[in-house]
Amino acid sequence: SQKIEQNSEALNIQEGKTATLTCNYTNYSPAYLQWYRQDPGRGPVFLLLIRENEKEKRKERLKVTFDTTLKQSLFHITASQPADSATYLCALSPSGSARQLTFGSGTQLTVLP
Amino acid sequence: SAVISQKPSRDICQRGTSLTIQCQVDSQVTMMFWYRQQPGQSLTLIATANQGSEATYESGFVIDKFPISRPNLTFSTLTVSNMSPEDSSIYLCSVATGTGSEKLFFGSGTQLSVL
Repeated sequence: SQKIEQNSEALNIQEGKTATLTCNYTNYSPAYLQWYRQDPGRGPVFLLLIRENEKEKRKERLKVTFDTTLKQSLFHITASQPADSATYLCALSPSGSARQLTFGSGTQLTVLP
Repeated sequence: SAVISQKPSRDICQRGTSLTIQCQVDSQVTMMFWYRQQPGQSLTLIATANQGSEATYESGFVIDKFPISRPNLTFSTLTVSNMSPEDSSIYLCSVATGTGSEKLFFGSGTQLSVL
């Protein structure tokens, strides 16, 4: 069956360090993969999209890699700040349709001052 | 991008009653979705709200339980009918925008507790 797995445990890191979150998937051939941020009591906020033919994408302090051989995406936050504390969700779609977007359960990141 | 207003933000309801959640978008959008997020779990798509026609429901969700209206391209409602404690969850309205309509924008969600 199709499955998306993110770091099952919460991740705590020290301010200034790089946070690395993992998204693994099985039995998918995604056309693209997305990362979202969700704060308590809020809906998810789109961060980055990376396509199947792209290896890496960057946006300010964020970097996403996509390895279709390993069936894995890594999400990095460099120079992390306490304001980066949130739950991060990966989501993937086998086609170009947002309707087929499937979400992982998320990784809760806490950046300690 | 899109700004989505969703209300109510939270509610506590009695078993057997119904709650209607409203979603207003600041621009016309073609694709509008309703999601459920149960505690500690990922988002699950309930249905796609289609303007002028019946919603398209995902496996495990039925119209009698989750009737949806979409009278125009900026507004939709989701009703949770005949509620039970198992319906306690966060319900989220979402729209797809951008090139290829690949990115989702979400409302703040409705935290529903059923007693």
